[in-house]
This record gives sequence, C-alpha cells and structure tokens, in this order.
Amino acid sequence: KQEVTQIPAALSVPEGENLVLNCSFTDSAIYNLQWFRQDPGKGLTSLLLIQSSQREQTSGRLNASLDKSSGRSTLYIAASQPGDSATYLCAVGTALIFGKGTTLSVSS
Amino acid sequence: GAGVSQSPRYKVAKRGQDVALRCDPISGHVSLFWYQQALGQGPEFLTYFQNEAQLDKSGLPSDRFFAERPEGSVSTLKIQRTQQEDSAVYLCASSLGLAGGTTGELFFGEGSRLTVL
Repeated sequence: KQEVTQIPAALSVPEGENLVLNCSFTDSAIYNLQWFRQDPGKGLTSLLLIQSSQREQTSGRLNASLDKSSGRSTLYIAASQPGDSATYLCAVGTALIFGKGTTLSVSS
Repeated sequence: GAGVSQSPRYKVAKRGQDVALRCDPISGHVSLFWYQQALGQGPEFLTYFQNEAQLDKSGLPSDRFFAERPEGSVSTLKIQRTQQEDSAVYLCASSLGLAGGTTGELFFGEGSRLTVL
C-alpha cells in the first residue's frame, strides 16, 4: 500500500528565505506526482504536476523535482513571501494518495 | 463553470440522517474523484469515476457511503445514517483524464464541510 510522508510537518521562516519541502513515497511505481497548496478553509490549488518520465517542473518561484528510484520529491520555494503561507501537500499516483502536508508560515 | 463546484458548502446533520453532496466538475473533464479530509490531515481517497463508470471505490469507509455519476458529469456522494465520525470536509476533484493510466492534473472544488451532531 502506497504511503506518503512529508517532512517537516511545520516550518516557520522569515521573508526572503529559500526553502525546501520534502515528500517521500513507498511505492516507486507511480504515474505522476502533484504538489498542491491549501489555504485554511479552502480547497486545494494545483501547483506543479510531474509526470513519471520527468525529473522536475518549474513555475515561477517554485521548482519541484522527482526521483522515482529513491521515492522522493522536493518542492523548492525561492525568495519566500508572506503570501506563501499555507499548507503544502504532495500526492502520488492515479488516485492521488496524499501526505499530511507541511504547514508553512512566512513572517514579514 | 470555470472551476469545480461543490454544494452545499456547509451541512449540519443530526446523527442518523442521510445527506447528499453534489459535485459539478469542470466541463469536459472525464475523471472525477471524491476525497474525505479530516481536520489537520491530508485528503483521503474515497472513489474515482471515469465518465459514468466507477472504477475504484476502495476508499469508501463503509456501505453507508455511496457515489454515483449517472451521466458522466455531475456526481453525488450520499452518506446514509450519518455518524459523528463522518464529520469532515468532502472534496471533489476532476481532470481531463489522459491515456496511459495517468489522469493528469487534478483540479479541486472548495469542498463540502459536513458536521454530524
């Protein structure tokens, strides 16, 4: 059974810092991996989708990498801003098995 | 509509009542998913449709939970004889549904928050 783990569970940083969020999964036979952002009381917003044949995807200040062989993905956020404060979730596979998320707080 | 729409946004039910939650996916999206999210947790998969076919319902927690998508568009998640442990946010997502076993990028609705008293 696929299990997804996200570390750290929570992270607080000052504005402007670069940071890395980690996601690991137990079954490397995945078709894709997707990173989401969730604001309190809201649904999920898709950030980046990495297909199994890809190694990374970039969107603005966000960069996500995928290493299927080691069962890991990282989400890199450059020059963090207070507006980046949210919970970040990674999910793998067709039916999307989610981790519990990393709650990020960026202070100004 | 432009995005995935869910209704009602909030539902309070007395224990034992039946509830129905509706999801309007993005027009043309083949795949539709239901998730349950408890407070402080990531979403948990419930069931998956491709058009009107329910291809995976392995995540439904009990036979009190039932989902349908009769015309391959709007979907309804029904919970019979609600229990307090059913209290959660129920999220719906849709995607274009690509070939090769991958469903592509998923787009989520705002969710329906169910509180069972």
